Formats: sequence, structure tokens, C-alpha cells
Amino acid sequence: DTGVSQDPRHKITKRGQNVTFRCDPISEHNRLYWYRQTLGQGPEFLTYFQNEAQLEKSRLLSDRFSAERPKGSFSTLEIQRTEQGDSAMYLCASSLDGVYVDTEAFFGQGTRLTVV
Amino acid sequence: DAKTTQPNSMESNEEEPVHLPCNHSTISGTDYIHWYRQLPSQGPEYVIHGLTSNVNNRMASLAIAEDRKSSTLILHRATLRDAAVYYCSGDTDKLIFGTGTRLQVFP
Repeated sequence: DTGVSQDPRHKITKRGQNVTFRCDPISEHNRLYWYRQTLGQGPEFLTYFQNEAQLEKSRLLSDRFSAERPKGSFSTLEIQRTEQGDSAMYLCASSLDGVYVDTEAFFGQGTRLTVV
Repeated sequence: DAKTTQPNSMESNEEEPVHLPCNHSTISGTDYIHWYRQLPSQGPEYVIHGLTSNVNNRMASLAIAEDRKSSTLILHRATLRDAAVYYCSGDTDKLIFGTGTRLQVFP
């Protein structure tokens, strides 16, 4: 297994366009998390899944953001009508189970989004 | 969400021990304490986690206060490769990161 894979690694888009990112977790990992990170800040929690079920979505997350994990394997994060403030690194992580139990999460390299 | 407090930055010389503190005063009794670190241009990587007892692994040690309101990540002999931002998290069911501690290691 090659770890958590994210695609694309970099994305430049014009303001107002829609973008979609993909995350492939480690196989057999039930949990999948999305985070957003801006320069100088720690990763900010966005949402997470248990298999295909989306369990929680951050209150800070705009309605322009939507995430899916249709078959409980890979996940997509879509941002509609992008704004310059959406420019950030988007990180995906997966774990065998929730971090409330004795487990660790594995992060991907992230997708860097630049909105111009 | 549980809130964590860490110093913004710390410095160490190579081969010296480093103690990175974290306050997590709102942690619940069943939440694990997790530590991750992030090197430049990379995603965070797992360092260590624990619940009540002190923990050791090949990377570091984790000392947890008896009341679980604070913990300390211990790097026994810092190397240049340990220069990173270190995050602690103590929350139910997901990792919540603060701004972390930027560790500088000098040769």
C-alpha cells in the first residue's frame, strides 16, 4: 500500500469556477477526514466519513463545499464558485477506525489550491 | 471541540533532549491524546498517542499528566530531521489541531 493519495497535487483556478479534489485512502481504512490548511496555521477540520456515511461537517464550512465517499473507498471534495479565500492546502487523512480508539491517522501530501 | 494550547516555537541543539508541552484542559476522560508533526510541504505525520499511561515508541515518548490536562512530547535526542511543526490533539473521534509548536534544531 502506498499510503493516502491525493489528486491533483496542485490546482490553479479562476474565481467563480468549480473544483473537485480526490482522495484515495489506505485500503480497508474506514475513516476518512478532510482538512484545510492556510499558511502559518494548523490543519482545520472540515468533515469526516465512516465508510460512506458523512458523520460530521464543520460549522465553519460554507455550503459551497461538499464531500462524498460514495462506495466507502475514495472520496471527493468539491468547491463551487471558488473565492480567493478558498486558496489553501486541502489535506485528506484516513484511519482504520476513529481516533477515539487506539489508532493513528495517515495523511496525504495534500492538494494545493490557488484561486486567482 | 477540545482546545489545545502549545507554545508557538521552541529551539534545541542537535543531540539534546526536547520537551514539547501541550495543555488540553477540556479533554474528556476517554479521549486519546495524539501528537503529529508536519515537515515543510508535507502532510502531518503521526508521532505518538496515549490515554493515561506514559508511552514510548521509536520516535518519541509521551508523558501524560495524572489529571490528563496536559502532556509532554519528549524527543530524547533531537536531530536536524526533527525540525518541524508539532501538533497535539485531544478530541472525540477526530483530530483537532491548533497552531502547533515550531521546533528549530541547530547543529
